[in-house]
Amino acid sequence: QKEVEQNSGPLSVPEGAIASLNCTYSDRGSQSFFWYRQYSGKSPELIMSIYSNGDKEDGRFTAQLNKASQYVSLLIRDSQPSDSATYLCAVNIRAGKSTFGDGTTLTVKP
Amino acid sequence: KAGVTQTPRYLIKTRGQQVTLSCSPISGHRSVSWYQQTPGQGLQFLFEYFSETQRNKGNFPGRFSGRQFSNSRSEMNVSTLELGDSALYLCASSLAGTAPETQYFGPGTRLLVL
Repeated sequence: QKEVEQNSGPLSVPEGAIASLNCTYSDRGSQSFFWYRQYSGKSPELIMSIYSNGDKEDGRFTAQLNKASQYVSLLIRDSQPSDSATYLCAVNIRAGKSTFGDGTTLTVKP
Repeated sequence: KAGVTQTPRYLIKTRGQQVTLSCSPISGHRSVSWYQQTPGQGLQFLFEYFSETQRNKGNFPGRFSGRQFSNSRSEMNVSTLELGDSALYLCASSLAGTAPETQYFGPGTRLLVL
C-alpha cells in the first residue's frame, strides 16, 4: 500500500463546475497536509495547508481533513481553465520530510 | 523576499559522470529538503538537512549525497550517473524545520543523462 494515494485521474470538469480531488494516507501519525498545484514543466506551488480536522476555505479552494478516516480532499469551486494542472497531495509525517501522492491531473474545459 | 533558487536550471551529462546541484533557501529558512521527480515514480524524497546535519533520508542509493553550509545553502551530488537519474530535482525550504510547517519549492534543476 502506498503511503499517500490520490484518485488516479485524469479528471475533467466543465468551466464553472466543482472539481473534487481526493487523497488518503496510511500513517496515522501524520501531522500536516498540503495541496500543491504543478503546471507542466514547473515546480509545485502551494495551494492549501491543513492541520486540523474539518474544512479550511481560501477563496475558491476548500481543503477537508478527516484524520479518523485518514482522508484529505480539495474542492475547487467555479473551476477555471487556468486551474488545469496536476494537483499533488503531500503528507508531512515528521519535520522536514513530506511524502507525495502521484498526483491527479485536472482539465477544466471552457 | 526572494524565493528558493536552484542552479543550474538545466544540465546534460553522460553516464558515469558526476553532478552537483545547488539550492539557496528562502532567507531565514534553515531546513532544506531534496526531491526527485520522474514521470514514472512521481515526487520522491531524497534527504533533508537542518543546521548542517542530515536529519532525514529517503530510500536512494549512496550515489546520492548532500550537504548543507552554515548559511543554509545546500548542495546535492550524484556520482556515477545512470540513465535512470534523468529527472527534475527539486529542493524545498522551510523556516525552522518543525512540523507542521510549509515547504516552499524552488524551480528545479532538470538533469538529462545520456
